[in-house]
Amino acid sequence: AQSVTQLGSHVSVSEGALVLLRCNYSSSVPPYLFWYVQYPNQGLQLLLKYTTGATLVKGINGFEAEFKKSETSFHLTKPSAHMSDAAEYFCAVGAASNFGNEKLTFGTGTRLTIIP
Amino acid sequence: DGGITQSPKYLFRKEGQNVTLSCEQNLNHDAMYWYRQDPGQGLRLIYYSQIVNDFQKGDIAEGYSVSREKKESFPLTVTSAQKNPTAFYLCASTSGTGYSNQPQHFGDGTRLSIL
Repeated sequence: AQSVTQLGSHVSVSEGALVLLRCNYSSSVPPYLFWYVQYPNQGLQLLLKYTTGATLVKGINGFEAEFKKSETSFHLTKPSAHMSDAAEYFCAVGAASNFGNEKLTFGTGTRLTIIP
Repeated sequence: DGGITQSPKYLFRKEGQNVTLSCEQNLNHDAMYWYRQDPGQGLRLIYYSQIVNDFQKGDIAEGYSVSREKKESFPLTVTSAQKNPTAFYLCASTSGTGYSNQPQHFGDGTRLSIL
């Protein structure tokens, strides 16, 4: 079984400041990890994913995340926040089911507010 | 453009009524999923299907039913047995099979409320 913990249900940062959204996971097998973004009344959009290989993953809109196995973490960062980054962010961990197809387990989300 | 279409965007249910949420994808994806989203609880898996005519219960299947008669369609019925159906429902699909690591693609959701 796998699980995801997102620390901080609400995060506020000033425009131009560093964005750091925290995600810790647990998984009994090597995980694949995802970050999604959700704007109000919309579905989720993929920001980035980690599968294997390079532990620093770059995504869309200037976001990146680093897979740290020793810390079981996959924190999302962006060097300089923009007003358009205001949204809810979800971390998810994947693991194969008995049929071999993955199911995702989602964190409870972090709502990011940008202060002008 | 390929994508997932959910309809309707807003839906209201009366007491004792069953309602069906539509999900159609033209991505040629094998697997499809239904999630329920409540404030502060993230996404919870209701049902998923990896091939036509087969589907599996997720974590919160009670009070819901699905069918998968066509690859592109995966409708969800919220039955009268679901006593707290008010939520935002999201449909997703992925091309993942086996131990694939392909991401899920999401529709824009249906918001269901009780009258």
